[in-house]
Amino acid sequence: GQQLNQSPQSMFIQEGEDVSMNCTSSSIFNTWLWYKQDPGEGPVLLIALYKAGELTSNGRLTAQFGITRKDSFLNISASIPSDVGIYFCAGGYNFGNEKLTFGTGTRLTIIP
Amino acid sequence: DTAVSQTPKYLVTQMGNDKSIKCEQNLGHDTMYWYKQDSKKFLKIMFSYNNKELIINETVPNRFSPKSPDKAHLNLHINSLELGDSAVYFCASSRSGTGTETQYFGPGTRLLVL
Repeated sequence: GQQLNQSPQSMFIQEGEDVSMNCTSSSIFNTWLWYKQDPGEGPVLLIALYKAGELTSNGRLTAQFGITRKDSFLNISASIPSDVGIYFCAGGYNFGNEKLTFGTGTRLTIIP
Repeated sequence: DTAVSQTPKYLVTQMGNDKSIKCEQNLGHDTMYWYKQDSKKFLKIMFSYNNKELIINETVPNRFSPKSPDKAHLNLHINSLELGDSAVYFCASSRSGTGTETQYFGPGTRLLVL
C-alpha cells in the first residue's frame, strides 16, 4: 500500500533549537494531519490542514500543506524537553470512507 | 475521563493462544479503528467500523476478527497467536468515517507473543 515518507527519520537537537521535518507522498491528499506520540502513549493530534498552501500554527508548532498536495511540513520553534517523541504525518481524503495513511515517523531527541 | 480506553495495556501470551483486546470510546463518535504499530513504529490500519458496520478491512490474516457490539465499543479477537503478532495495537475513533476526520487514539495494548 501507499506509504508516506518522513524526513528526517530521527533528530538529535539541543534545547532551544528550531526543528523542521517534512512528509512526502507519491499521490495527492486533501487533508494533512500531524500527530505526536509520547513514549508509551497513543498518537495525539497536533495540527490539521485542509487546504493546499494552508499554513497553521499551534503555539510553537507551525505546519504547512504543500501546494502540490503531495507534501507537508512541520516546524517547531525553540524546542523544549517535552517536545521529545515521535512525530507522524498522516494524509487523508474526504471522498467517503477512506483511511488515513500514516508516515514513517520522525523521532525527536533533545540533548541536554 | 479517558476518551478512548483500551484493555489490557500489556498482554504477554504463548504462541497458539487466543486473546482479545477491548476498546471503548466515550466521545459519541460513529467510527472506530484498529491500528497495528510494529517495532519500527510504523502505524498501519487494520480495520474500521462505522456504526457497528465494517468499513475498512485491510489485508489482515483471518485470525484477526473485530467485533463491534455497539458504536462505542470495538473489540479485537486474535486466534492462534504467532510471534509476528507482537506489536502495539491502537484503537482510535473519529466523528465520522471520512478520511479527513481527526482520529483520537487510545493508549495502546502492548502484545508480546512468546
